[in-house]
Amino acid sequence: AQTVTQSQPEMSVQEAETVTLSCTYDTSESDYYLFWYKQPPSRQMILVIRQEAYKQQNATENRFSVNFQKAAKSFSLKISDSQLGDAAMYFCDSDTGFQKLVFGTGTRLLVSP
Amino acid sequence: NAGVTQTPKFQVLKTGQSMTLQCAQDMNHNSMYWYRQDPGMGLRLIYYSASEGTTDKGEVPNGYNVSRLNKREFSLRLESAAPSQTSVYFCASSLDRAGYEQYFGPGTRLTVT
Repeated sequence: AQTVTQSQPEMSVQEAETVTLSCTYDTSESDYYLFWYKQPPSRQMILVIRQEAYKQQNATENRFSVNFQKAAKSFSLKISDSQLGDAAMYFCDSDTGFQKLVFGTGTRLLVSP
Repeated sequence: NAGVTQTPKFQVLKTGQSMTLQCAQDMNHNSMYWYRQDPGMGLRLIYYSASEGTTDKGEVPNGYNVSRLNKREFSLRLESAAPSQTSVYFCASSLDRAGYEQYFGPGTRLTVT
């Protein structure tokens, strides 16, 4: 069975600093996709970043980047130059296409001025 | 372009009552999903429809039924509501089943008393 674990229920960061959110997963598939979604207080979930497992290069979207370690089944999200608008719940998601989609339990990110 | 819309936004039911949550997307997506979100549990997949005419169970399907009415619409029905179904329900859609970004609706907060 596929599992996704986010071991940090809550993280804090100051504006302009860098923070890393952790995610580990377990799947028997060799080809899969990994996502980070953001859920601000408004509740609407939006995609932050996507990684294809067959690509060795880590995905980057502006201030957001991932550290994808396939052998360790680790997919962490790094947020650089944190902004107040980054405060939200962040969910890690694993999708193989053949097994059911699985989300982690989320990490609440607090950003202080 | 409204994206994914859900109705209603809020609903209170008594135990044993039935109701249908409506979801529609205008992005010509093939795949649609229903999730529930409970505190500390992240998002759990209830049902999904990989393409028009097909539906499959997710992680927590008991107590729910779904209908993929057409390519745009995917409804979730609670036949006999129970307090354990108190939750926030999200509908989502993606271009196709595997590896594509999911677009989420704003959610429905359901309380069963």
